[in-house]
Parts: sequence; C-alpha cells; structure tokens
Amino acid sequence: RKEVEQDPGPFNVPEGATVAFNCTYSNSASQSFFWYRQDCRKEPKLLMSVYSSGNEDGRFTAQLNRASQYISLLIRDSKLSDSATYLCVVNMGGGFKTIFGAGTRLFVKA
Amino acid sequence: DAGITQSPRHKVTETGTPVTLRCHQTENHRYMYWYRQDPGHGLRLIHYSYGVKDTDKGEVSDGYSVSRSKTEDFLLTLESATSSQTSVYFCAISPFSSETQYFGPGTRLLVL
Repeated sequence: RKEVEQDPGPFNVPEGATVAFNCTYSNSASQSFFWYRQDCRKEPKLLMSVYSSGNEDGRFTAQLNRASQYISLLIRDSKLSDSATYLCVVNMGGGFKTIFGAGTRLFVKA
Repeated sequence: DAGITQSPRHKVTETGTPVTLRCHQTENHRYMYWYRQDPGHGLRLIHYSYGVKDTDKGEVSDGYSVSRSKTEDFLLTLESATSSQTSVYFCAISPFSSETQYFGPGTRLLVL
C-alpha cells in the first residue's frame, strides 16, 4: 500500500461545477498536510495547508479527518484556470519525511 | 515566488556520462531537497540537506550524490547516468524541516 494515495482521475468537469478530491495516508503519526497544485510542465506550488479544524481560501476548502486518515479538497465554482494536477502532501515530521501523492488531474471545460 | 533557480533546465546526455545539476536559492533557507518526478509516481526524495556540508539520503538515492558547500547552492550529481535516470528533477527549499517546501522550475534530463 502506498503511503499517500490519490485517485489519479482525470476529473472532467464543466465550468461552475463543484469537485472534490480525497487523499488517504497510511501513517497515523503524520503531522502536517498540504495540497499543492502543479500545472503542466511546471513546478508544484503550495495551494493550501490543511488544518485539523479545516480551512477555506476563497473557492477552496480543505478538510482533515485524522480518525479515517484522509484529507480532502473541495473546489467550488470551477474555473478554466483550475485545470491542473492536485498533489496531496503528508509530512510525518521533518522535510525528509514528506510524502507526495501521485496527483489527481483536473480538467475544467467551458 | 521563492528565489530558487535550477540549471540546466534541459539536458540530453548519454549513458555512462557524469551529470551535475545545480540548485541555487536566494532565500537563505536551511533545508534543501532534490526530488525526481516520473509518471505514475509522486515526487520522490533523492537527497536532502539540513545545512552546509550536512546531507542525507532520501528514498531513491542509489546512483546519485550531492554536495552543499554554501547555503545557497545544492548540487546533484549522477556519477554515471543510466536510462532509468531519465526524469524531471526538482529542487526544493524550506526554512524549517516540517514547513512548506518551495520548488524550483525543474530540470528535464534525458539519458540516451
């Protein structure tokens, strides 16, 4: 079993749709969690950190469920510019213990 | 954007030749990392550094070595390149080990 697992997609949604991604992790000692966004042939960039209480940034909402060991990302009112690969990232204490999921590909169509 | 650059951005080389990739940062961050990214895999850690001359192995370190003689530079060397090392290589930096990592633009390496 991979330490961090994501549905690879692709998710194909129309503009304005709401889309949700889930990510599961295997190590219950994991300490911090992030969502990164990666555009085609570009470097990953931080989208948002994920806190135990959940957090929201505009159209994006991230949730953490420690009991079930998964994190989620919800995108509301999808834009064409949201088309990208979304990486789930789990840190188990120390940068050398940061595990990246393989990513979920999102296509938003007009 | 974090001040982090990588060179070269693209490289084609032949099997058996040595290759060195450079990562340069202007943020004075203590931690630096080298990852490779391949289809179907997440980013996989090759080596990391937690200070000048302080480095350690990551998940996929075989065939790679690193050096950090200055805070701002982290070099990745493929001693004798193989076709399995064809990949996209990303450098990342962070101020603390558990904090967000910031990535460079990547180096696309093709080993023929």
